[in-house]
Amino acid sequence: GAVVSQHPSRVICKSGTSVKIECRSLDFQATTMFWYRQFPKQSLMLMATSNEGSKATYEQGVEKDKFLINHASLTLSTLTVTSAHPEDSSFYICSAEENRGQPQHFGDGTRLSIL
Amino acid sequence: KQEVTQIPAALSVPEGENLVLNCSFTDSAIYNLQWFRQDPGKGLTSLLLIQSSQREQTSGRLNASLDKSSGRSTLYIAASQPGDSATYLCAILRADKLIFGTGTRLQVFP
Repeated sequence: GAVVSQHPSRVICKSGTSVKIECRSLDFQATTMFWYRQFPKQSLMLMATSNEGSKATYEQGVEKDKFLINHASLTLSTLTVTSAHPEDSSFYICSAEENRGQPQHFGDGTRLSIL
Repeated sequence: KQEVTQIPAALSVPEGENLVLNCSFTDSAIYNLQWFRQDPGKGLTSLLLIQSSQREQTSGRLNASLDKSSGRSTLYIAASQPGDSATYLCAILRADKLIFGTGTRLQVFP
């Protein structure tokens, strides 16, 4: 089946650090990738949608300068949390779809903890 | 704004019970509805996907139904097992975006 690999699985770093999270589709080409954020005991909230070779589309209320998304190839999208602060601590999950409208395949998530 | 809610928020049952998890959504203009399982600290595993034109889907001990007109879906788990313990999320696909429910945390004890 379709596999999405997300790395790293856990990050602990100091306030002010920038953190990069990678999302890779291992056995298919993903025309679209999605980034979600999940607070403890809450649901997933879509942050942005990225298409290969074009700028990401951010959801309302998500700071595009804070959360930089790059989708440079059909198998890789990255999310960079710039100058992270404790309030950015959360669980970030990516997903990928091979073609628009097809089911999304999810990564295992990244637990980000900012001290 | 599309809202997706799930009831109950948490459920603890003994092994062997049949369960019903509920999901409701405010706008019936959906493309499909999915049920996911999420284990602690992990990503999502898709369980069942129901297209908007379908009424139900089955996979093993799981059965999901969809009633678009009333904005409701149910996930039925037969003969629950401790390994079923997880958070169950429903999500609707609308305008190419998945909108997730608040989840039901299920614990099945031996």
